[in-house]
Amino acid sequence: DAGVIQSPRHEVTEMGQEVTLRCKPISGHNSLFWYRQTMMRGLELLIYFNNNVPIDDSGMPEDRFSAKMPNASFSTLKIQPSEPRDSAVYFCASSQKGTGGYEQYFGPGTRLTVT
Amino acid sequence: AQSVTQLDSHVSVSEGTPVLLRCNYSSSYSPSLFWYVQHPNKGLQLLLKYTSAATLVKGINGFEAEFKKSETSFHLTKPSAHMSDAAEYFCVVSPTRGYNKLIFGAGTRLAVHP
Repeated sequence: DAGVIQSPRHEVTEMGQEVTLRCKPISGHNSLFWYRQTMMRGLELLIYFNNNVPIDDSGMPEDRFSAKMPNASFSTLKIQPSEPRDSAVYFCASSQKGTGGYEQYFGPGTRLTVT
Repeated sequence: AQSVTQLDSHVSVSEGTPVLLRCNYSSSYSPSLFWYVQHPNKGLQLLLKYTSAATLVKGINGFEAEFKKSETSFHLTKPSAHMSDAAEYFCVVSPTRGYNKLIFGAGTRLAVHP
C-alpha cells in the first residue's frame, strides 16, 4: 500500500496567488481529513469528509479556504487568495470506519510558504 | 465532551534509560486511544492504539501503553530510549461511535541525550 499521497511536497508562492494542495487517500478508506500544523497553533483540523461528503468544516479559517472531494480517491484544498499567515504544513489523512477506534493514516504533508 | 491532556510539553532522557510520556483523557463513554509520533519534518505515524481489548497495548519500536480507566490515563512507556526516539509524541482520543474525528493532545517533545 502506497499510503496517503500528497502533492506538492513543498510550495512557495507569493501573497495573493491561488494555491491548490492535493491528496490521494488510502484505497478503501471512506473518511478524509485536512489538517494544518504551525508552531503557534499546533495541529488543527480544517475539514473532514465521509464518503466524499463534507461533514465538518468548522475548522476552515475563512472563505479563502475551500476543499473538495470529487471522488473517493482524490481531494483538494484550495486557498485563494493566499496570505503569509497561511504558511504552514498541511496534512491529509484518511481512515476506514471500523468496529474499534478510527485511527487515521497521515500523508507526508505539504509545506506551504507564502511570501 | 472528550479531551486529552499531555502532562509534559518536553521530556529529556539519556539514551538507554526508560521513557515515560504521560497522558490523561476525559470521555463521557469508553474511548479509543492512540499514540502518534512525528519525527522532524515528517508526517504523523501511528505508534499504537487501544480499542477496549487488552489494557496493555504494544506498539512499534518497543513502545507500549497501559489504559487505566480508574485513573483516566494512557501513559506511553519504553524500557530503553534510543537516539532515534527523539520526536514529538501525540496522545489522541477518538469516539467509538458517531463522527470519527480525533482529538489531539498538545504534544510532548522527547529529547534523547547520549
